[in-house]
Amino acid sequence: KQEVTQIPAALSVPEGENLVLNCSFTDSAIYNLQWFRQDPGKGLTSLLLIQSSQREQTSGRLNASLDKSSGRSTLYIAASQPGDSATYLCALPSGTYKYIFGTGTRLKVLA
Amino acid sequence: DAGVIQSPRHEVTEMGQEVTLRCKPISGHDYLFWYRQTMMRGLELLIYFNNNVPIDDSGMPEDRFSAKMPNASFSTLKIQPSEPRDSAVYFCASSLEGRAADFGPGTRLLVL
Repeated sequence: KQEVTQIPAALSVPEGENLVLNCSFTDSAIYNLQWFRQDPGKGLTSLLLIQSSQREQTSGRLNASLDKSSGRSTLYIAASQPGDSATYLCALPSGTYKYIFGTGTRLKVLA
Repeated sequence: DAGVIQSPRHEVTEMGQEVTLRCKPISGHDYLFWYRQTMMRGLELLIYFNNNVPIDDSGMPEDRFSAKMPNASFSTLKIQPSEPRDSAVYFCASSLEGRAADFGPGTRLLVL
């Protein structure tokens, strides 16, 4: 059974810092891994999808890496801004397309 | 594309009443997922469909919960009878095989 852990649970940083969010999973036989952002009281916005054959995906200031052998993914946010404040969730399939979500990292970027 | 559409956005009902949540997936997507989010348990997958066929409903908590997808553009999640512990945010998501899932805005359900 796939288990997904995200560390840290919460993070507060000053504006402009580069930061790394971590996602660990127990079953490395995955199709892909997806990072989401959730704003308070809102739905989920997909940020990046990494296929199992890829090691990295980049979108603007975001970079996600995937290391299947070690069961880890990281989301790197460069030059953080107050608008980046949200909860970040990683999700990966347990079996075919049955996505399991981590508990999330609540990020607060201080102006 | 309007994205995944869910209705209602908010629902307040009394214990014992029937609740029906609705979802319109993105046109052309062949997978549809229903999730529930609570503070205690985070995001949990309840059920998912592929080409309108339920594939895995092992996440459905009890027989009080049922989901249907009569066609490619519409799905419902029904709770009958509802209980206070069903209070949560229910999300619908859709995807095209192998690609990123798109989530709807969610339905906030409060059962009194």
